[in-house]
Amino acid sequence: QVQLVQSGAEVKKPGASVKFSCTASGYTFTNYSISWVRQAPGQGLEWMGWISGYNDNTNYAQKLQGRVTMTTDRSTNTAYMELRSLRSDDTAVYYCARGTLGGLFFDYWGQGTLVTVSS
Amino acid sequence: QSVLTQSPSVSAAPGQKVTISCSGSSSNIGNNYVSWYRHLPGTAPKLLIYDNNKRPSGIPDRFSGSKSGTSATLGISGLQTGDEADYYCVTWDTSLTDVVFGGGSKLTVL
Repeated sequence: QVQLVQSGAEVKKPGASVKFSCTASGYTFTNYSISWVRQAPGQGLEWMGWISGYNDNTNYAQKLQGRVTMTTDRSTNTAYMELRSLRSDDTAVYYCARGTLGGLFFDYWGQGTLVTVSS
Repeated sequence: QSVLTQSPSVSAAPGQKVTISCSGSSSNIGNNYVSWYRHLPGTAPKLLIYDNNKRPSGIPDRFSGSKSGTSATLGISGLQTGDEADYYCVTWDTSLTDVVFGGGSKLTVL
């Protein structure tokens, strides 16, 4: 069965970076993309970007350009997302989700990773 | 502020039907497929509808989706208390070149 398993919770200081992992199993990693979506406390879901599992093409949300980098390791079927220059409003639960290579819908999701940004 | 507008809350009685609307523009809903998700905060969102009106395997036919012009609608019939959750519409915005989520609608089953 398809599973996406994410890394554990993190606490970071403002200005620091955080790197998330999302390990996929149960499907052919290169046939799909991985998107990252977050939810800040009391807010809705926000798309952050996607990366192709096939060729590492990326598409980042406009508001995060310059602060986010998504990568993959096809030897371990793992997607990574690094978010830099953390601010308090980056405190959120971060999800990875499997998408089509066109990225337009997300059929399986990871369990989420809580990141708290606090001094 | 999302470019997709959803009513913040909707409610209906058990057994009834509810519709959740998602309003956008020609740069998003008007020319792209819409998907819908159910989410309980702190848990993984769940895909309910993709490509405007298709249900993934395992999603009961109580859930339906439609699109007309620049609006999309999720319908849930035979409401159950277990349907209480936040519901989000999602599509691609050609002008923003971003995937966009609606603001979410909180469903209460009275």
